[in-house]
Amino acid sequence: QKEVEQNSGPLSVPEGAIASLNCTYSDRVSQSFFWYRQYSGKSPELIMSIYSNGDKEDGRFTAQLNKASQYVSLLIRDSQPSDSATYLCAVNPNSGYALNFGKGTSLLVTP
Amino acid sequence: DGGITQSPKYLFRKEGQNVTLSCEQNLNHDAMYWYRQDPGQGLRLIYYSQIVNDFQKGDIAEGYSVSREKKESFPLTVTSAQKNPTAFYLCASSPPGQGAYNEQFFGPGTRLTVL
Repeated sequence: QKEVEQNSGPLSVPEGAIASLNCTYSDRVSQSFFWYRQYSGKSPELIMSIYSNGDKEDGRFTAQLNKASQYVSLLIRDSQPSDSATYLCAVNPNSGYALNFGKGTSLLVTP
Repeated sequence: DGGITQSPKYLFRKEGQNVTLSCEQNLNHDAMYWYRQDPGQGLRLIYYSQIVNDFQKGDIAEGYSVSREKKESFPLTVTSAQKNPTAFYLCASSPPGQGAYNEQFFGPGTRLTVL
């Protein structure tokens, strides 16, 4: 079984701070990595994709990938209350076209 | 507007009934997927289809069936054999030609409750 592990949280950060969300995966040959944001009662929304080692920035979001350590993270700068949601890490295990999802980390940004 | 639609938004089923959840996309995506989400759990793959008239079982296919007669449509039937069907059902699709880099985009979901 290909595992994707996330701390369930909740992770609480004050407004304006940096939120750091982490994810580890077990399949060393995984090629692609995704972060989804899911508001309560809604479907997941893709916010970041990363395929190569290093950092990828998009607005207030930065995804970081370290394949040697099998670790992917998401940084949210200048966190806003509207960022409060569950963040799902997803990994393509390279065995087909379906993604393996972690259980998600709940983020709470307090005003 | 391009997108993925799912219907109904809420569905109530009596025990012993089969129900069909609709998923339609007008994004010209080749691959489509069905996931199930239980409270506090990650998404678990039920079925996926890469092309018309072809589909593969996911991790939890027992008690479910699908068809892919059209590129735009991938309906999921929850049969009476599914012992614990109450969950949030999510349909997704991904663009062609991405291979292992496939980004998946989700519909709004159907919340199924067994009475």
